[in-house]
Amino acid sequence: NAGVTQTPKFRVLKTGQSMTLLCAQDMNHEYMYWYRQDPGMGLRLIHYSVGEGTTAKGEVPDGYNVSRLKKQNFLLGLESAAPSQTSVYFCASSTGRAESGELFFGEGSRLTVL
Amino acid sequence: GQNIDQPTEMTATEGAIVQINCTYQTSGFNGLFWYQQHAGEAPTFLSYNVLDGLEEKGRFSSFLSRSKGYSYLLLKELQMKDSASYLCAVMDSNYQLIWGAGTKLIIKP
Repeated sequence: NAGVTQTPKFRVLKTGQSMTLLCAQDMNHEYMYWYRQDPGMGLRLIHYSVGEGTTAKGEVPDGYNVSRLKKQNFLLGLESAAPSQTSVYFCASSTGRAESGELFFGEGSRLTVL
Repeated sequence: GQNIDQPTEMTATEGAIVQINCTYQTSGFNGLFWYQQHAGEAPTFLSYNVLDGLEEKGRFSSFLSRSKGYSYLLLKELQMKDSASYLCAVMDSNYQLIWGAGTKLIIKP
């Protein structure tokens, strides 16, 4: 089972460049999430989606955009990358809330902005 | 504000028992999760507690006291492969997960 797949795994950008991270899940999950993980900090939610065609802002949405055109895919875009966006990005999916809300994570995408 | 506290790092010996504590202050409570994350890898689900008490799963157990805003993860018969970070996360009243910074557990032979 593929589970949650993220591409690319690694990327180096220059300040001001744009890029898109792709997340795909094959578990038919309704909920999808984009997190960033920085040293010494907990996972922080960037944006999330509770179903195809819907997106919502998380804790740290500034500088990022997302789209959920298909249920299985959740894209994270950086329009103008900044050094502060250097981080490890994790995509996750789940069936829904709380007791069924176990998150399944992708392997992560390590982004460096110079 | 919402806050999850857990120790930054702990060291234990192979074969021993270790308890990793997590205290939280959140806007509402809809459950507490523990995840394991090996270095350079994705977090993986370990346990979920929503009622007070102890949940046991093999060598791992998780305890919750909602009145004290407190949980712990207990790992028994430690193995070298248990060296990882352990993340505590609380689901608040809006069903958003609030994550702690994680506890890095180092296992020594």
